[in-house]
Amino acid sequence: GDSVTQMEGPVTLSEEAFLTINCTYTATGYPSLFWYVQYPGEGLQLLLKATKADDKGSNKGFEATYRKETTSFHLEKGSVQVSDSAVYFCALSDGGGATNKLIFGTGTLLAVQP
Amino acid sequence: GAVVSQHPSWVICKSGTSVKIECRSLDFQATTMFWYRQFPKQSLMLMATSNEGSKATYEQGVEKDKFLINHASLTLSTLTVTSAHPEDSSFYICSARGQRRGKLFFGSGTQLSVL
Repeated sequence: GDSVTQMEGPVTLSEEAFLTINCTYTATGYPSLFWYVQYPGEGLQLLLKATKADDKGSNKGFEATYRKETTSFHLEKGSVQVSDSAVYFCALSDGGGATNKLIFGTGTLLAVQP
Repeated sequence: GAVVSQHPSWVICKSGTSVKIECRSLDFQATTMFWYRQFPKQSLMLMATSNEGSKATYEQGVEKDKFLINHASLTLSTLTVTSAHPEDSSFYICSARGQRRGKLFFGSGTQLSVL
């Protein structure tokens, strides 16, 4: 079945460092891909998404490009801040839309130190 | 933005007891709610989908008689873990989707520890 694999954390960076969190997926169809973020004590929030190959999702300085050839959707940010410390979940939708069932990765804890 | 409140955030119980987790949509009517659980170092896994006023649909391998889901109103869904055992210890998260909104909104999760 469909699945998502993301890099294990925790990822510890200094402020202003470059961030990459790897995410690869396995899917039989043409899924939509998502990154969710969970700040301490809060629910998961949609960070960005991409619905087809070569789409780039971006928000709050984060970017991820839907790469069908490598089945990847890596999350990047050029300069992280302490406030970016959170757990990041990569996910895919089996129905192609944000409202359908989501299949998640394990989550990656990011800790940014001042 | 829309808020989903999940309660409690943390619960410890004895083996054999039942635990109820509530998920409320605070500023919208949630026609569909999803329940997930996450074991340590594993993915968030969908357990069941519930639509208001109808029986929940459970994912393969999830025991419906053990994980009772009630979605009797448009703002509240509950998950009851009946006769909990240590292997049920996990992180449980709900999410809700409104009638007019395409987005999913998530609760902050409940960490269940069964002794």
